Amino acid sequence: SAVISQKPSRDICQRGTSLTIQCQVDSQVTMMFWYRQQPGQSLTLIATANQGSEATYESGFVIDKFPISRPNLTFSTLTVSNMSPEDSSIYLCSVQRGPNTEAFFGQGTRLTVV
Amino acid sequence: RKEVEQDPGPFNVPEGATVAFNCTYSNSASQSFFWYRQDCRKEPKLLMSVYSSGNEDGRFTAQLNRASQYISLLIRDSKLSDSATYLCVVGSNTGGFKTIFGAGTRLFVKA
Repeated sequence: SAVISQKPSRDICQRGTSLTIQCQVDSQVTMMFWYRQQPGQSLTLIATANQGSEATYESGFVIDKFPISRPNLTFSTLTVSNMSPEDSSIYLCSVQRGPNTEAFFGQGTRLTVV
Repeated sequence: RKEVEQDPGPFNVPEGATVAFNCTYSNSASQSFFWYRQDCRKEPKLLMSVYSSGNEDGRFTAQLNRASQYISLLIRDSKLSDSATYLCVVGSNTGGFKTIFGAGTRLFVKA
């Protein structure tokens, strides 16, 4: 298993500002992902956080808007930049120990942009 | 077409009922299949993996039909504590490994 600490758990931010979300894992993991979940919707993959290299972004998500850091195998950050109300959502980090294995999630960050 | 499709429900059932959820996936090269449970305002957690031979865990039975690209979850003798959203999840390795989540099926079990 993996225990993930995600911070902050929630925040209310002004439009135009940025928020950085942190994800700390209790052990080294190769695969780390960032998801977004709108209320009542499925999880949408934002990007795969690659240790030591640039993140791999999914269609519709760009590095300038969602810069990601992955300095080591236990930690990653996601920044939501220049926020607008449309960015209000739950953001979740997830880790997997390998392809086709169980995904473990952080507790999520509930973001409201006003 | 969504990569993983589920009936959103909600399913409203009495305690003790049997309820079945279905899910279809579009990528025939998908390699792994799971059901996750997500409680309100909580993160998803693995309920069970789904194997080609089918598998059972207590009151829960999962089945996979690769030919029809179809996954099912059966819950017998429903409990109030089964009330949650059930996410159908598929792992694929097309253009890099990804885990794709369905939108979920909401279940309400009533006394």
